[in-house]
Amino acid sequence: SQTIHQWPATLVQPVGSPLSLECTVEGTSNPNLYWYRQAAGRGLQLLFYSVGIGQISSEVPQNLSASRPQDRQFILSSKKLLLSDSGFYLCAWSPGQFGEKLFFGSGTQLSVL
Amino acid sequence: GESVGLHLPTLSVQEGDNSIINCAYSNSASDYFIWYKQESGKGPQFIIDIRSNMDKRQGQRVTVLLNKTVKHLSLQIAATQPGDSAVYFCAETLWGKFQFGAGTQVVVTP
Repeated sequence: SQTIHQWPATLVQPVGSPLSLECTVEGTSNPNLYWYRQAAGRGLQLLFYSVGIGQISSEVPQNLSASRPQDRQFILSSKKLLLSDSGFYLCAWSPGQFGEKLFFGSGTQLSVL
Repeated sequence: GESVGLHLPTLSVQEGDNSIINCAYSNSASDYFIWYKQESGKGPQFIIDIRSNMDKRQGQRVTVLLNKTVKHLSLQIAATQPGDSAVYFCAETLWGKFQFGAGTQVVVTP
């Protein structure tokens, strides 16, 4: 069966520090991968998605970037965190056919202080 | 801008009763829908999905109903249990892009 791993679960970082959140998927190949941000009481905001290695689409211009160095690995990064980057970040994957079934990781609660 | 502490609609249900959670989706051309359950501090958990060519689908203790005429989706949970307490939200997709509702907080009372 397929599983998705996301870490760390919580992170407290000072303003201006770098960020690296990692996500890996097991049990499938060539998944579509996503990074979302969820604000309290709000819907999910799509940040990045990827349909293959090295292929990244950005949905919202921001202080963050994403990379997909391997088929089942998706990384969310920032060179310098802002206070407004605080939030709950979720990695997700879907099978090869775009737009069917979307499974989420356990999330990372990021607090930028 | 976004506001902190926005309160979600709340559905209070007595243990053992059936729950009905509603979702109004935005795009009449959306062709696929998912219901998720999210507990505090955790990632959303996939519950059940339905395609636009169906109007009903059943899972274990859950049923999803789709009314395309009024762009309405509902999730019915049979014999609600304390472990069902969570935020439930729907997602719609069009051309592979997912759009999510903010959700409904379900509170199960003894």
